[in-house]
Amino acid sequence: AQTVTQSQPEMSVQEAETVTLSCTYDTSESDYYLFWYKQPPSRQMILVIRQEAYKQQNATENRFSVNFQKAAKSFSLKISDSQLGDAAMYFCAYRSSGTYKYIFGTGTRLKVLA
Amino acid sequence: DVKVTQSSRYLVKRTGEKVFLECVQDMDHENMFWYRQDPGLGLRLIYFSYDVKMKEKGDIPEGYSVSREKKERFSLILESASTNQTSMYLCASSLEDTEAFFGQGTRLTVV
Repeated sequence: AQTVTQSQPEMSVQEAETVTLSCTYDTSESDYYLFWYKQPPSRQMILVIRQEAYKQQNATENRFSVNFQKAAKSFSLKISDSQLGDAAMYFCAYRSSGTYKYIFGTGTRLKVLA
Repeated sequence: DVKVTQSSRYLVKRTGEKVFLECVQDMDHENMFWYRQDPGLGLRLIYFSYDVKMKEKGDIPEGYSVSREKKERFSLILESASTNQTSMYLCASSLEDTEAFFGQGTRLTVV
């Protein structure tokens, strides 16, 4: 069975600095998708970034980028120039291609210090 | 923008009550999901539906049922609420090859 592990329950970053959130996953599939979701205190979960496993190039969305290491089954999220609005729970998620089911990690709470 | 709307943000129910959580999406998505979110456990899938009247059990279906009579609406039913069902419930929808879009969540307290 596929699993997603986020080993950092909580992290802190100074405003304007860079922080990296870790995510590892376990799967025997070769075709799948990986996601990072953000859940601010208002609770609505929103997509930050997605990565298709067949793409070697790491996805980037403005200040958010990923380091996707397929062989190591690692999918970390880097947030550059951190802002107060980045404070939230961040969830890593996996979905195998051709299935409906998303598998989530336990989340990392990010605090941004002014 | 995709909109997924859950009928309540906060609910307080008594033990043994039948509870309905409603979710509506406006983007004609085939797939809809109900997750439960608990601290330290992340999101756990209760049920999902890939078409009208079609449903499949997720990882923790015990004590829950679902209904999908129309494509845009997916209901989660607690037949007899218990205190261990106190939690945050998240509804989501997706197309086959897109990310999941979430509602704002319902915080359910069973007393």
